[in-house]
Amino acid sequence: SQQGEEDPQALSIQEGENATMNCSYKTSINNLQWYRQNSGRGLVHLILIRSNEREKHSGRLRVTLDTSKKSSSLLITASRAADTASYFCATGVMNTGFQKLVFGTGTRLLVSP
Amino acid sequence: DTGVSQDPRHKITKRGQNVTFRCDPISEHNRLYWYRQTLGQGPEFLTYFQNEAQLEKSRLLSDRFSAERPKGSFSTLEIQRTEQGDSAMYLCASSLTGAEAFFGQGTRLTVV
Repeated sequence: SQQGEEDPQALSIQEGENATMNCSYKTSINNLQWYRQNSGRGLVHLILIRSNEREKHSGRLRVTLDTSKKSSSLLITASRAADTASYFCATGVMNTGFQKLVFGTGTRLLVSP
Repeated sequence: DTGVSQDPRHKITKRGQNVTFRCDPISEHNRLYWYRQTLGQGPEFLTYFQNEAQLEKSRLLSDRFSAERPKGSFSTLEIQRTEQGDSAMYLCASSLTGAEAFFGQGTRLTVV
């Protein structure tokens, strides 16, 4: 079953604009990770934020985590056409001694030139 | 290429046939995961290996599915008597720390 829900399901913007995607989840987590998936391809790991962190940056990516609201957001600044992809949040959940990633349903981002 | 490698990338099979997929993880990673992804959905966990031991299997993994990691390196996922509902992308991931997971390009299975 999928734990996370991404919002919006689809997002269409122009190059140079910022894109914000949100993720909500249901259970306690060790960490939350964001992945990118180009059409028909594998997932690329973008960033991991631990449950005791509130904000993390990596290049043009900014991730926030609010464990009290069980939500996270991914901000991509100054978007490029190459950012067009599906973005998934995945919660790291401890399960019988190991961490299992539970993915959301994804946000499809389209960046137009 | 030092990433996770999966083979084949695409597989078309007739209903009722058996198929086997292979995953080669990043060499120093002792943790290996299989996920399944259907169209428009996020990946769903199937099974987990630590070294050669299969420590967890999802209820999604019916009796027709079997996974192995015989020497704690590469892994295989076999589906017996395939059904149309098995059509999906099968993703393998590996991890060193158990936190960040690195995924392969996946094997897209189509059952006709």
